Amino acid sequence: EIVMTQSPATLSVSPGERATLSCRASQSVSSNLAWYQQKPGQAPRLLIYGASTRATGIPARFSGSGSGTEFTLTISSLQSEDFAVYYCQQYNNWPLVAFGQGTKVEIK
Amino acid sequence: EVQLVESGGGLVQPGGSLRLSCAASGFTFSSYEMNWVRQAPGKGLEWVSYISSSGSTIYYADSVKGRFTISRDNAKNSLYLQMNSLRAEDTAVYYCAFGGWSTYYFDYWGQGTLVTVSS
Repeated sequence: EIVMTQSPATLSVSPGERATLSCRASQSVSSNLAWYQQKPGQAPRLLIYGASTRATGIPARFSGSGSGTEFTLTISSLQSEDFAVYYCQQYNNWPLVAFGQGTKVEIK
Repeated sequence: EVQLVESGGGLVQPGGSLRLSCAASGFTFSSYEMNWVRQAPGKGLEWVSYISSSGSTIYYADSVKGRFTISRDNAKNSLYLQMNSLRAEDTAVYYCAFGGWSTYYFDYWGQGTLVTVSS
């Protein structure tokens, strides 16, 4: 079983600032990693797949990096609509895909 | 426009059963693999089950294996999750989801249906 660990649990950021979220896998998942954004009362929204490829319609301020066991989601300049919970998901071990526990990005 | 609409959630006693449905529209349902993903209140996401486009291949998370059954009716553009022997820890919002471009991650999600297991 691959365990995904996200840090920090909560990130307080001012609008316009950069946010850096981390995701660590308990074993290598190569580049088989996705990122999602979830706002209260809504379904998750795919942001990134393949560790660094933005999904359709995702703004360029969202970027992903990393491979193996260490991954980062960067939001270059936070907009008001970016305050949400972010999840990473490994799919290297498909069908046993696994999500991290989430990082909440809140307004500082 | 792709739409996934879940239904069938509600309050059920421990040990009880419930059948969830996901009505699909706006795409060729029979061509896509489908999944159920759940989210306990205030918690993260947990993949529950997968079914291939034809229904011939099925997988379950260990936490639901032997209790839940996924199925689909391509003629009705519908996905189902039969949940038996429900436990308090099955309380969650259940989403149907699929990947438009990939089997492995999900770019289309329904709005979810809440299942509460409590006496």
